[in-house]
Amino acid sequence: GPKVLQIPSHQIIDMGQMVTLNCDPVSNHLYFYWYKQILGQQMEFLVNFYNGKVMEKSKLFKDQFSVERPDGSYFTLKIQPTALEDSAVYFCASSSTGGMDTLYFGAGTRLSVL
Amino acid sequence: GDSVTQTEGPVTLSEGTSLTVNCSYETKQYPTLFWYVQYPGEGPQLLFKVPKANEKGSNRGFEATYNKEATSFHLQKASVQESDSAVYYCALSAGNTGKLTFGDGTVLTVKP
Repeated sequence: GPKVLQIPSHQIIDMGQMVTLNCDPVSNHLYFYWYKQILGQQMEFLVNFYNGKVMEKSKLFKDQFSVERPDGSYFTLKIQPTALEDSAVYFCASSSTGGMDTLYFGAGTRLSVL
Repeated sequence: GDSVTQTEGPVTLSEGTSLTVNCSYETKQYPTLFWYVQYPGEGPQLLFKVPKANEKGSNRGFEATYNKEATSFHLQKASVQESDSAVYYCALSAGNTGKLTFGDGTVLTVKP
């Protein structure tokens, strides 16, 4: 099936530093998403992105967070500066048409903030 | 906002027994309902989805009916296998952004 690739699989970083999580979405998909999952807890929506713009964001998407997809390359989530509570697994997803379309998820990036 | 509530886990079953994971939802819009499954070290993957009320979805022996009156979408399987051990998420999508709202997930362990 369609594959979403996330790089790296695990990132360890000191509190206060910047981190960029990379996502290579399914080719030709137009809608992109980030979700956050703290160990053993539910999948929580952060943000979705279409046509170069944030469409919707949750309260978890703090001012320190930003997303972009320059020139059709990786879809990135940047956190600057990081905080201890940002430690979690971040999942990227993409879909073709939004709406009721299926979201395809990557395997996640485990972020550990020390 | 939208919300999804599902059976709290963990659920442990013996191979060959039946499974029911309850799911109820709240939204002011007309949702599409999904069941996703997540295996260790992977992201959630679609099990099946149902966009229309009173229709049934199914895949790999799992099934669920979109009950609009009861706002429910319970997952069932007649005979589980050890390979079904995973986390199961009920989810809904409403509106045109494609955003999924997930339930808390139900951890299923099937013993041989």
